Amino acid sequence: SQKIEQNSEALNIQEGKTATLTCNYTNYSPAYLQWYRQDPGRGPVFLLLIRENEKEKRKERLKVTFDTTLKQSLFHITASQPADSATYLCALIHGSSNTGKLIFGQGTTLQVKP
Amino acid sequence: GAGVSQSPSNKVTEKGKDVELRCDPISGHTALYWYRQSLGQGLEFLIYFQGNSAPDKSGLPSDRFSAERTGGSVSTLTIQRTQQEDSAVYLCASSREATTEAFFGQGTRLTVV
Repeated sequence: SQKIEQNSEALNIQEGKTATLTCNYTNYSPAYLQWYRQDPGRGPVFLLLIRENEKEKRKERLKVTFDTTLKQSLFHITASQPADSATYLCALIHGSSNTGKLIFGQGTTLQVKP
Repeated sequence: GAGVSQSPSNKVTEKGKDVELRCDPISGHTALYWYRQSLGQGLEFLIYFQGNSAPDKSGLPSDRFSAERTGGSVSTLTIQRTQQEDSAVYLCASSREATTEAFFGQGTRLTVV
Protein backbone atom coordinates (compact mmCIF):
# COMPACT_ATOMS: atom_id res chain seq x y z
CA SER A 1 0.00 0.00 0.00
CA GLN A 2 1.06 3.61 -0.39
CA LYS A 3 2.45 5.31 2.68
CA ILE A 4 4.16 8.51 3.73
CA GLU A 5 5.86 7.98 7.06
CA GLN A 6 7.22 10.53 9.47
CA ASN A 7 8.46 9.83 12.97
CA SER A 8 5.39 10.15 15.16
CA GLU A 9 7.50 10.65 18.26
CA ALA A 10 8.27 14.25 19.16
CA LEU A 11 11.82 15.41 18.59
CA ASN A 12 13.29 17.33 21.52
CA ILE A 13 16.54 19.20 21.00
CA GLN A 14 18.56 21.96 22.64
CA GLU A 15 18.63 25.45 21.20
CA GLY A 16 21.50 25.92 18.77
CA LYS A 17 21.62 22.28 17.68
CA THR A 18 20.62 20.95 14.27
CA ALA A 19 17.23 19.26 14.02
CA THR A 20 16.85 16.50 11.45
CA LEU A 21 13.42 15.20 10.50
CA THR A 22 12.79 12.20 8.24
CA CYS A 23 10.11 11.51 5.64
CA ASN A 24 9.93 8.07 4.02
CA TYR A 25 7.48 7.06 1.34
CA THR A 26 6.40 3.73 -0.12
CA ASN A 27 4.85 2.94 -3.50
CA TYR A 28 4.92 6.52 -4.71
CA SER A 29 7.10 8.01 -7.42
CA PRO A 30 6.73 11.70 -6.70
CA ALA A 31 8.20 14.29 -8.99
CA TYR A 32 8.03 16.82 -6.15
CA LEU A 33 8.23 16.74 -2.39
CA GLN A 34 7.25 19.62 -0.14
CA TRP A 35 7.74 20.50 3.52
CA TYR A 36 5.29 22.52 5.62
CA ARG A 37 5.19 23.89 9.14
CA GLN A 38 2.05 23.78 11.26
CA ASP A 39 1.53 25.63 14.51
CA PRO A 40 -1.29 24.67 16.92
CA GLY A 41 -4.67 25.91 15.74
CA ARG A 42 -3.32 27.09 12.39
CA GLY A 43 -3.21 25.75 8.85
CA PRO A 44 0.10 24.44 7.46
CA VAL A 45 2.52 26.96 5.96
CA PHE A 46 4.73 26.07 2.99
CA LEU A 47 8.50 26.01 3.60
CA LEU A 48 10.34 24.30 0.76
CA LEU A 49 9.76 22.31 -2.43
CA ILE A 50 12.34 19.95 -3.91
CA ARG A 51 12.15 18.25 -7.30
CA GLU A 52 13.20 14.69 -8.04
CA ASN A 53 16.23 15.86 -10.02
CA GLU A 54 17.43 18.04 -7.12
CA LYS A 55 19.49 16.40 -4.41
CA GLU A 56 19.39 19.31 -2.01
CA LYS A 57 17.60 22.63 -1.48
CA ARG A 58 18.41 25.36 1.01
CA LYS A 59 16.56 28.36 2.41
CA GLU A 60 18.18 30.33 5.21
CA ARG A 61 18.61 27.85 8.12
CA LEU A 62 16.58 25.14 6.37
CA LYS A 63 17.93 22.35 4.18
CA VAL A 64 16.03 19.57 2.45
CA THR A 65 17.43 16.51 0.71
CA PHE A 66 15.58 14.14 -1.60
CA ASP A 67 16.85 10.63 -2.30
CA THR A 68 14.59 8.89 -4.82
CA THR A 69 16.56 5.63 -4.48
CA LEU A 70 16.03 5.45 -0.74
CA LYS A 71 12.57 7.03 -1.14
CA GLN A 72 13.43 9.45 1.60
CA SER A 73 13.61 13.16 2.30
CA LEU A 74 15.49 14.72 5.20
CA PHE A 75 14.63 18.15 6.61
CA HIS A 76 17.29 19.97 8.59
CA ILE A 77 17.02 23.11 10.72
CA THR A 78 20.44 24.43 11.70
CA ALA A 79 21.07 26.67 14.72
CA SER A 80 17.61 25.80 15.98
CA GLN A 81 15.64 28.30 18.06
CA PRO A 82 12.66 27.87 20.42
CA ALA A 83 10.57 29.67 17.76
CA ASP A 84 11.20 26.70 15.46
CA SER A 85 9.05 24.54 17.75
CA ALA A 86 6.13 23.31 15.65
CA THR A 87 4.91 20.29 13.73
CA TYR A 88 6.62 19.71 10.39
CA LEU A 89 4.81 17.90 7.59
CA CYS A 90 6.14 16.43 4.38
CA ALA A 91 3.86 16.19 1.36
CA LEU A 92 4.07 14.78 -2.13
CA ILE A 93 2.07 14.90 -5.32
CA HIS A 94 0.37 11.58 -6.02
CA GLY A 95 -0.37 10.84 -9.64
CA SER A 96 0.53 12.81 -12.72
CA SER A 97 2.54 15.88 -11.82
CA ASN A 98 -0.02 18.00 -13.63
CA THR A 99 -3.15 16.53 -12.12
CA GLY A 100 -2.08 14.86 -8.95
CA LYS A 101 -3.32 15.38 -5.42
CA LEU A 102 -1.17 16.59 -2.54
CA ILE A 103 -0.80 13.96 0.18
CA PHE A 104 0.64 14.68 3.63
CA GLY A 105 2.53 12.63 6.15
CA GLN A 106 1.38 12.61 9.77
CA GLY A 107 3.98 15.17 10.81
CA THR A 108 6.74 15.25 13.40
CA THR A 109 6.54 17.65 16.33
CA LEU A 110 9.77 19.48 17.08
CA GLN A 111 10.41 21.01 20.50
CA VAL A 112 13.46 23.26 20.82
CA LYS A 113 14.42 23.93 24.43
CA PRO A 114 16.22 27.12 25.43
CA GLY B 1 -8.43 38.46 -1.04
CA ALA B 2 -4.86 38.10 0.03
CA GLY B 3 -5.15 34.54 1.23
CA VAL B 4 -7.43 31.52 1.37
CA SER B 5 -10.57 32.32 3.30
CA GLN B 6 -12.80 29.73 4.98
CA SER B 7 -16.18 30.23 6.58
CA PRO B 8 -17.47 29.77 9.12
CA SER B 9 -14.42 29.56 11.38
CA ASN B 10 -16.43 27.58 13.92
CA LYS B 11 -19.60 25.57 13.52
CA VAL B 12 -21.53 23.67 16.17
CA THR B 13 -24.33 21.54 14.82
CA GLU B 14 -26.68 18.89 16.07
CA LYS B 15 -26.27 15.31 15.00
CA GLY B 16 -28.31 14.60 11.89
CA LYS B 17 -28.23 18.14 10.53
CA ASP B 18 -26.58 19.12 7.26
CA VAL B 19 -23.68 21.58 7.18
CA GLU B 20 -22.03 23.53 4.41
CA LEU B 21 -18.43 24.74 4.63
CA ARG B 22 -17.10 27.38 2.27
CA CYS B 23 -13.66 28.02 0.84
CA ASP B 24 -12.57 31.11 -1.09
CA PRO B 25 -9.22 30.30 -2.72
CA ILE B 26 -6.58 32.77 -3.82
CA SER B 27 -7.63 34.39 -7.07
CA GLY B 28 -6.21 32.60 -10.11
CA HIS B 29 -5.35 29.39 -8.29
CA THR B 30 -6.53 26.43 -10.34
CA ALA B 31 -5.96 23.67 -7.79
CA LEU B 32 -8.07 23.44 -4.63
CA TYR B 33 -7.85 20.83 -1.87
CA TRP B 34 -10.00 19.86 1.11
CA TYR B 35 -8.51 18.06 4.13
CA ARG B 36 -9.82 16.96 7.49
CA GLN B 37 -7.71 17.06 10.65
CA SER B 38 -8.82 15.49 13.89
CA LEU B 39 -7.22 16.57 17.16
CA GLY B 40 -3.56 15.60 17.27
CA GLN B 41 -3.77 13.84 13.92
CA GLY B 42 -2.38 14.46 10.45
CA LEU B 43 -4.14 15.86 7.40
CA GLU B 44 -6.60 13.43 5.87
CA PHE B 45 -7.10 14.09 2.14
CA LEU B 46 -10.76 14.47 1.16
CA ILE B 47 -11.00 15.83 -2.38
CA TYR B 48 -9.03 17.74 -4.98
CA PHE B 49 -10.26 20.11 -7.70
CA GLN B 50 -8.45 21.11 -10.86
CA GLY B 51 -10.54 24.00 -12.12
CA ASN B 52 -14.16 22.99 -11.60
CA SER B 53 -13.61 19.26 -11.98
CA ALA B 54 -12.65 16.81 -9.25
CA PRO B 55 -10.21 14.24 -10.69
CA ASP B 56 -9.95 12.55 -7.32
CA LYS B 57 -12.79 12.10 -4.84
CA SER B 58 -11.27 9.00 -3.29
CA GLY B 59 -10.81 10.57 0.12
CA LEU B 60 -14.46 11.40 0.81
CA PRO B 61 -15.30 9.23 3.86
CA SER B 62 -18.86 8.37 2.84
CA ASP B 63 -21.67 9.36 0.51
CA ARG B 64 -22.77 11.90 3.11
CA PHE B 65 -19.86 14.04 1.99
CA SER B 66 -19.92 16.01 -1.26
CA ALA B 67 -18.09 19.01 -2.66
CA GLU B 68 -18.39 21.30 -5.60
CA ARG B 69 -16.49 24.18 -7.10
CA THR B 70 -18.03 26.79 -9.34
CA GLY B 71 -16.44 29.28 -11.69
CA GLY B 72 -13.04 27.83 -10.91
CA SER B 73 -13.16 29.71 -7.64
CA VAL B 74 -15.33 29.18 -4.53
CA SER B 75 -15.78 25.65 -3.24
CA THR B 76 -18.30 24.25 -0.79
CA LEU B 77 -17.99 21.02 1.18
CA THR B 78 -21.34 19.65 2.29
CA ILE B 79 -21.81 17.05 5.00
CA GLN B 80 -25.31 15.60 5.21
CA ARG B 81 -26.78 13.99 8.32
CA THR B 82 -23.76 14.86 10.41
CA GLN B 83 -22.40 12.34 12.89
CA GLN B 84 -20.23 12.91 15.95
CA GLU B 85 -17.26 11.35 14.20
CA ASP B 86 -17.43 14.17 11.64
CA SER B 87 -16.17 16.56 14.34
CA ALA B 88 -12.78 17.88 13.19
CA VAL B 89 -11.07 20.87 11.62
CA TYR B 90 -11.73 21.08 7.89
CA LEU B 91 -8.90 22.75 6.00
CA CYS B 92 -8.96 24.11 2.49
CA ALA B 93 -5.88 24.92 0.41
CA SER B 94 -5.28 26.31 -3.05
CA SER B 95 -2.28 26.42 -5.35
CA ARG B 96 -1.51 28.14 -8.62
CA GLU B 97 -0.99 24.77 -10.25
CA ALA B 98 -1.02 21.24 -8.88
CA THR B 99 2.76 21.20 -8.60
CA THR B 100 3.32 24.43 -6.71
CA GLU B 101 3.09 25.35 -3.05
CA ALA B 102 -0.30 25.15 -1.41
CA PHE B 103 -1.71 27.98 0.68
CA PHE B 104 -4.03 27.00 3.49
CA GLY B 105 -6.98 28.73 5.06
CA GLN B 106 -7.40 28.95 8.81
CA GLY B 107 -9.85 26.04 8.80
CA THR B 108 -13.41 25.47 9.96
CA ARG B 109 -13.74 23.75 13.32
CA LEU B 110 -16.83 21.56 13.15
CA THR B 111 -18.35 20.19 16.33
CA VAL B 112 -21.27 17.77 16.10
CA VAL B 113 -23.19 17.46 19.37
